[in-house]
Amino acid sequence: KAGVTQTPRYLIKTRGQQVTLSCSPISGHRSVSWYQQTPGQGLQFLFEYFSETQRNKGNFPGRFSGRQFSNSRSEMNVSTLELGDSALYLCASSKEGTNVNTEAFFGQGTRLTVV
Amino acid sequence: GESVGLHLPTLSVQEGDNSIINCAYSNSASDYFIWYKQESGKGPQFIIDIRSNMDKRQGQRVTVLLNKTVKHLSLQIAATQPGDSAVYFCAEKIAGNTPLVFGKGTRLSVIA
Repeated sequence: KAGVTQTPRYLIKTRGQQVTLSCSPISGHRSVSWYQQTPGQGLQFLFEYFSETQRNKGNFPGRFSGRQFSNSRSEMNVSTLELGDSALYLCASSKEGTNVNTEAFFGQGTRLTVV
Repeated sequence: GESVGLHLPTLSVQEGDNSIINCAYSNSASDYFIWYKQESGKGPQFIIDIRSNMDKRQGQRVTVLLNKTVKHLSLQIAATQPGDSAVYFCAEKIAGNTPLVFGKGTRLSVIA
């Protein structure tokens, strides 16, 4: 079956603009998590959605937001882009029943460059 | 708070040798751990996971060991191949509906 799909793969934006990234999880997976990856920083958790509800949120400013649709597809939005927002944005999906730990699978990521 | 760290940021291994990548975690409440492999330009790839009720789990050429006493996790790769060259991340999860917390990563370089 198809893996996690993220679009677009690459994006160049100007400071002050806003951007929307998309993630389609593996079929049957209801949990979608977003991570920001920058050189030397590892993966930093942004937020997680489960059944259209934000279940967890990381320590990022309110400029970072997201949502999940009824088909489990998720989008994240970054408003008023800053140079420091340049990063690889990764989406991970998992089945994630209540209080059940299951594998999380990542997409290829969206490489955002802010100029 | 919880944190996940790695003892070695880089590791160079001769092709054919075994590799051991280590990871320390700080929260004894962590009950689920995953190792990921990330190649250049790609997203992290799931390698193997282990739950806290186990101390060892084996996959194809990989073994994960969990020592809850000292809060230590390791990934062993047998007969390391050039294709194993990548950055390896360990991740921990605390309780059920909490996010994965990732370490900084270890770069594994395989010398042919």
